[in-house]
Amino acid sequence: GDSVTQMEGPVTLSEEAFLTINCTYTATGYPSLFWYVQYPGEGLQLLLKATKADDKGSNKGFEATYRKETTSFHLEKGSVQVSDSAVYFCALSSGGSYIPTFGRGTSLIVHP
Amino acid sequence: NAGVTQTPKFQVLKTGQSMTLQCAQDMNHNSMYWYRQDPGMGLRLIYYSASEGTTDKGEVPNGYNVSRLNKREFSLRLESAAPSQTSVYFCASRDRTSGRGNEQFFGPGTRLTVL
Repeated sequence: GDSVTQMEGPVTLSEEAFLTINCTYTATGYPSLFWYVQYPGEGLQLLLKATKADDKGSNKGFEATYRKETTSFHLEKGSVQVSDSAVYFCALSSGGSYIPTFGRGTSLIVHP
Repeated sequence: NAGVTQTPKFQVLKTGQSMTLQCAQDMNHNSMYWYRQDPGMGLRLIYYSASEGTTDKGEVPNGYNVSRLNKREFSLRLESAAPSQTSVYFCASRDRTSGRGNEQFFGPGTRLTVL
């Protein structure tokens, strides 16, 4: 079946540091890939997505590239802010399934 | 558009009590989902409804029932609450009819404590 593996957290960074959160996946066919963000006390919201190989999703300074050859969708940001502190979830959706598959989430803590 | 709404936001129950968590979406989405979120466990799917009139079990359905009342509303019922059901519950919806790459939209969550 489909699966998503994310790096364990928490990831702790100082403001303006570079961020990478690794995500790899296993899926049949050509899934769509997503990053969701969950701020404290809130529900998940879509951060960015990519629907085919080599697509780059981007939003709010975050980027991720759909790498079919390495089955990866790593999240990056060049300069994090305290307001980026949240839990980040990688997810995939295969064409034939109603049920998206989520990673376990990675907590990011950014210190001033 | 309100998106996905959930009620209540917080609830405390005693063991054995019952309650229904309500969820509604105003985006005309076909699919709706109930998840629970526990520390270190990520999101776990309880039940889902691929379309109006259908419901199916997810990963952790025991102790729960659902009703897809109409296209907008999808409720989750705990018939006899147990402390193991203390969790944060999220409802989500998704449009299945407009092609690939359809993301889920999540509600703000219900924080449930069972004593």
